[in-house]
Amino acid sequence: AQSVTQLDSHVSVSEGTPVLLRCNYSSSYSPSLFWYVQHPNKGLQLLLKYTSAATLVKGINGFEAEFKKSETSFHLTKPSAHMSDAAEYFCVVSVQGGGADGLTFGKGTHLIIQP
Amino acid sequence: EAGVAQSPRYKIIEKRQSVAFWCNPISGHATLYWYQQILGQGPKLLIQFQNNGVVDDSQLPKDRFSAERLKGVDSTLKIQPAKLEDSAVYLCASSFGSGGHNEQFFGPGTRLTVL
Repeated sequence: AQSVTQLDSHVSVSEGTPVLLRCNYSSSYSPSLFWYVQHPNKGLQLLLKYTSAATLVKGINGFEAEFKKSETSFHLTKPSAHMSDAAEYFCVVSVQGGGADGLTFGKGTHLIIQP
Repeated sequence: EAGVAQSPRYKIIEKRQSVAFWCNPISGHATLYWYQQILGQGPKLLIQFQNNGVVDDSQLPKDRFSAERLKGVDSTLKIQPAKLEDSAVYLCASSFGSGGHNEQFFGPGTRLTVL
């Protein structure tokens, strides 16, 4: 079975400063890892995904994440926060291969951007 | 490209009543998922379809929840009878194929309130 743990339920940063959202995963098999963002009253949107290619993954809106197998981590970063980044962020794991590939979501990190 | 469509967007019912949600996936997407997102939590997979067959329904409370995808396109999720704890947002997602590396595209969700 796979799982993800998002280490912070809330993160608050000032506009223009770096963002770090932390995620650790657990998986018996080679995982695919994703970060999704959910803005208020909007659907979930994929930010980026890792599927066993390059360990540093670049996504939309300047976000990137690094897969570290030794630390079982997949932290999300952005060099400079923008007000529009305020949202709920979910770290997600899925097992590659096999028919059942539903996503397992973390509990979410609420990102607050201070002006 | 049209996204995943869901209806209704909001539904309020009393406990012990029945309710049904509808989902129309992205054209050509063979795999369809239903997730339940309780307030303050990440989405949890309820059921996965591949075309019109069920791949995974291990987390579906089958005593009250049912889902079908008769022609391999649209899907309906039904709750009968509803309980207070079923209050949540019900998300439909679709992907082109199966396999953990495939991106899932999410609909806007149906917000259910059970009184």
